[in-house]
Amino acid sequence: DGGITQSPKYLFRKEGQNVTLSCEQNLNHDAMYWYRQDPGQGLRLIYYSQIVNDFQKGDIAEGYSVSREKKESFPLTVTSAQKNPTAFYLCASSISPGDEKLFFGSGTQLSVL
Amino acid sequence: ELKVEQNPLFLSMQEGKNYTIYCNYSTTSDRLYWYRQDPGKSLESLFVLLSNGAVKQEGRLMASLDTKARLSTLHITAAVHDLSATYFCAVPLMKTSYDKVIFGPGTSLSVIP
Repeated sequence: DGGITQSPKYLFRKEGQNVTLSCEQNLNHDAMYWYRQDPGQGLRLIYYSQIVNDFQKGDIAEGYSVSREKKESFPLTVTSAQKNPTAFYLCASSISPGDEKLFFGSGTQLSVL
Repeated sequence: ELKVEQNPLFLSMQEGKNYTIYCNYSTTSDRLYWYRQDPGKSLESLFVLLSNGAVKQEGRLMASLDTKARLSTLHITAAVHDLSATYFCAVPLMKTSYDKVIFGPGTSLSVIP
């Protein structure tokens, strides 16, 4: 089955620690995105990538970093500089940048210990 | 900067009733998307509206787009409990590559028996 796989489903971060959220897709999509969702709120764009080895900051990129070394993978690192990381993180992809349909992963809930 | 608003943010309705959710946005865009999210779950694409005057229907849900008014509506007909979820509209920025999609805050719908 084609789709987007996010792992882990739940993640806990200690103060000062960097953590990495995994996002893998086997849909052969060019574009990938990371969104953050806070309780009762909409999605805010963290980073997006239109093609391998290229990515751009979204609206709330501070305290986060990404890489896109392979088409299938777009991991997100939440660094210690992100002071309020507790949120639900969603990875998405689309066939091409600006394609009308985003396919979402199942999400990772990150909490601070 | 593109802003996307939804009204209402919370909606409690009885089964069998009709209601409309509104989504308005602040800058020019010729397309709009609707998504559904169940609690603790990922987002599911409902409708892709690609032009002014577009209307799409799926079961008890019907979505429309008026790009001149910068308004989209999601109409619910004869609501049933299974429609209880949060509904998001999303609008792509009008760039050449449409590479950013901005989400509204979501409308949390509860359908009561």
